[in-house]
Amino acid sequence: EVQLLESGGALVQPGGSLRLSCGASGFTFGSEAMTWVRQAPGKGLEWVSTITSSGDGTYYADSVKGRFTISRDNSKNTLYLQMDSLRADDTAIFYCAKERGYCDSSDCPSLTDHWGQGTLVTVSS
Amino acid sequence: DIVMTQSPDSLAVSLGERATINCKSSQSVLYTSNNKNYLAWYQQKPGQPPKLLIYWASTRESGVPDRFSGSGSGTDFTLTINSLQAEDMAVYYCQQYYSSSRTFGQGTKVEIQ
Repeated sequence: EVQLLESGGALVQPGGSLRLSCGASGFTFGSEAMTWVRQAPGKGLEWVSTITSSGDGTYYADSVKGRFTISRDNSKNTLYLQMDSLRADDTAIFYCAKERGYCDSSDCPSLTDHWGQGTLVTVSS
Repeated sequence: DIVMTQSPDSLAVSLGERATINCKSSQSVLYTSNNKNYLAWYQQKPGQPPKLLIYWASTRESGVPDRFSGSGSGTDFTLTINSLQAEDMAVYYCQQYYSSSRTFGQGTKVEIQ
């Protein structure tokens, strides 16, 4: 059974930084691309970032490009999201998700098929 | 980015009746080389993460009841829930994965009438 467990969510001041982690089990982590999706309180889903299985390719939403960095450690079955220059509109539940299908450094039309329970990030002074 | 627009924003359906949700993309999500539509549907119940229901526009994920079905191609898609059950009360999202910059529809809330 696929299991994804996010951690690291917290209350942080505007302009601050935070690193989210996602521990994975139940599948061959190093063989699958991984994704972060967020959901602001009471709002819809917003794709944030995707990383290829090897980590050699990364993709970002325009809203976070230059501020967020996705990475992974396949030896630890862990996905990360480093978030810098946080703003109030970054307040959201952040979900870690597993991908299925083709994704490489030039194109990534893979399917998001399993989601974690999410971790809450609140940006406020 | 490809813009995904769902309609309606919400609908109330009686138990046992049919619910129909539409999703329109601002450009085609049909990949002609393999004739596949890169369109998925997700269900999100309150306090839970989304759950994959349908992919390739019409393929049901394993374990999803057959009252859920997807159809459409190119830019226009539909999720149909036949014989609505109480446990189907949720928000439903379409998503395109044709572009590496994935986008979701705004969501459709299905309530029991």
